[in-house]
Parts: sequence; structure tokens; C-alpha cells
Amino acid sequence: GENVEQHPSTLSVQEGDSAVIKCTYSDSASNYFPWYKQELGKGPQLIIDIRSNVGEKKDQRIAVTLNKTAKHFSLHITETQPEDSAVYFCAASTYGNNRLAFGKGNQVVVIP
Amino acid sequence: DGGITQSPKYLFRKEGQNVTLSCEQNLNHDAMYWYRQDPGQGLRLIYYSQIVNDFQKGDIAEGYSVSREKKESFPLTVTSAQKNPTAFYLCASSKDRGTQYFGPGTRLTVL
Repeated sequence: GENVEQHPSTLSVQEGDSAVIKCTYSDSASNYFPWYKQELGKGPQLIIDIRSNVGEKKDQRIAVTLNKTAKHFSLHITETQPEDSAVYFCAASTYGNNRLAFGKGNQVVVIP
Repeated sequence: DGGITQSPKYLFRKEGQNVTLSCEQNLNHDAMYWYRQDPGQGLRLIYYSQIVNDFQKGDIAEGYSVSREKKESFPLTVTSAQKNPTAFYLCASSKDRGTQYFGPGTRLTVL
């Protein structure tokens, strides 16, 4: 089955700087890649997703890039703010397949 | 106000007891899912259901059971056969097999 890995496990950034989280996946058939943000004690919230027919997608300060050849995709957060501090999960699947494979999460800490 | 609700928020269980976690959605989503989250770990799929009266095992179904009698509801029972049930349980739903949206979670602790 699909295997998703995230790096780094913890990331600390100064407020206003950019944060980048990278995920790799194993199944070349995967074509759907969502990112979720989870605050302490809460459920994950979808923040952005991308399908393999595009290489990049942007939504305000958040962007996701996809490299299908290398089988990795990355989350970019620009102009980080304290409220961006959370755990971020990436996932991969074949769109239309119920089985999302999740990475183990990245703890992002934004230092004021 | 549409969304996914889970209850209770916190649940305590004595060893040997079965407990049932509730998940309800009013998004008119067809598919519903249960995940387990342990500290420092990703989400692992327990069960999922694509339509009423049908469900499939996920990666860690042993010691758990579900039912899907109504489109809006997908309760999860943690049985006494689950040897290490202390975890954060998350319910999700999706329209057909698309993007999954999560509820707020239930934290289960075995005393």
C-alpha cells in the first residue's frame, strides 16, 4: 500500500519567515494530496489539496507544490504568524479511493 | 450549521468494558470513516462506510465494530478485545469518495 513520509518532524521559524514541509510518497498511482492542520486537542482541518494534473496550487499564504517524477510534494507557508503553530499532516491517495495514507505529522512552531 | 459532531469529547473506560463513540454529520455526505490517532503518529484507518448498511475494515479493525443504519450516523464501538484502546478517535466524512472532513474527536482513556 501507499507509504507517506514527512520531514522534518519539528520545525521552528521566526514570525514572518517562511516554513516548508516536505512529504514523499511511494505509490506512483497516487494522484490526490491533501494537507491538514491540527491544533492541540482538535480534529484535523483541511487547508489545501492538490491533484496530480497541476504542479502548484496557492491559497493566500499557503501553497502546495507537487513533483510527480520525484514523488514528493511540499507545503509552503509564507509570512508565518503565531496562529500557524500546529501539527501539519500530509496524505496521499488515488482520488476516488477511500484509503488516505497519512504521514506522521510535522510540529510547526512560530516564534513571536 | 453544517458539520460533523462527535460525542462525548472525553470518555473513560474500565478494562473489560465496551464503549460506543458517536459520530453524526449533516453534510449529506455518503462516506464516513473512523481513524485512531496516537501521540506522535499519523492517522490510522479503523473502518469506513461508503453507503448505508455497508462498511469495510481499515488497517486496524481488530477490537472495533461499527454500524451504518443511517446516512447521518456512524457509531464506533471499542470492545474489550481491543488491548490498547487509549487514543484520540477521529470521525470523518466525504461526498462520494472525495475530500475527507474531520470531526473534533473523542479522547478515550482506559482506567
